Amino acid sequence: QQQVKQSPQSLIVQKGGISIINCAYENTAFDYFPWYQQFPGKGPALLIAIRPDVSEKKEGRFTISFNKSAKQFSLHIMDSQPGDSATYFCAASSYGGYQKVTFGTGTKLQVIP
Amino acid sequence: GAVVSQHPSRVICKSGTSVKIECRSLDFQATTMFWYRQFPKQSLMLMATSNEGSKATYEQGVEKDKFLINHASLTLSTLTVTSAHPEDSSFYICSARDPAAIITGELFFGEGSRLTVL
Repeated sequence: QQQVKQSPQSLIVQKGGISIINCAYENTAFDYFPWYQQFPGKGPALLIAIRPDVSEKKEGRFTISFNKSAKQFSLHIMDSQPGDSATYFCAASSYGGYQKVTFGTGTKLQVIP
Repeated sequence: GAVVSQHPSRVICKSGTSVKIECRSLDFQATTMFWYRQFPKQSLMLMATSNEGSKATYEQGVEKDKFLINHASLTLSTLTVTSAHPEDSSFYICSARDPAAIITGELFFGEGSRLTVL
């Protein structure tokens, strides 16, 4: 059962544009929502994470928006750059992230010059 | 951030042989490590949770006799794919939690190991 649904599967954005990736979850016990960035042939790396006590978290060009009632969260990449081209995974876990992490299906982002 | 090293990065083996993949936490002690499997253009699927000094906890559908996990020390976990077959070809990734980062819940991932079984 896919507990974290992610869309779109792929995304092409012009350099300087905004990339938006959406995720939805089902398990109300989830209380930690990280986003990971993965380059081809490499392991994922944590990009940014949010807990449900806030509706938005911003770190540089990356922003997470969180809607607890709708059980949805999204990643916004402002001023997208070609170096941002990678696969992005949303994820969720419970007990503050201490429990195992469930990953979304991934979004392959391509930022074109 | 904390560093997790995985070795080998690539391995090619013949069908029927066994392959061992190592996962080391270089600058922290990891009581828990996780092993994931990733098929091309797909998400990470958790295979098992490795706990130091105890038996691993396998996810449903993962053959524990096929994928042997040993977490003998606080800095090393190994995954052995026994009697490998072509369908075992995949990208295997380990991850670990740094206890110092436990509040953030951050997982640190290794670089992954690409297994190709001929």
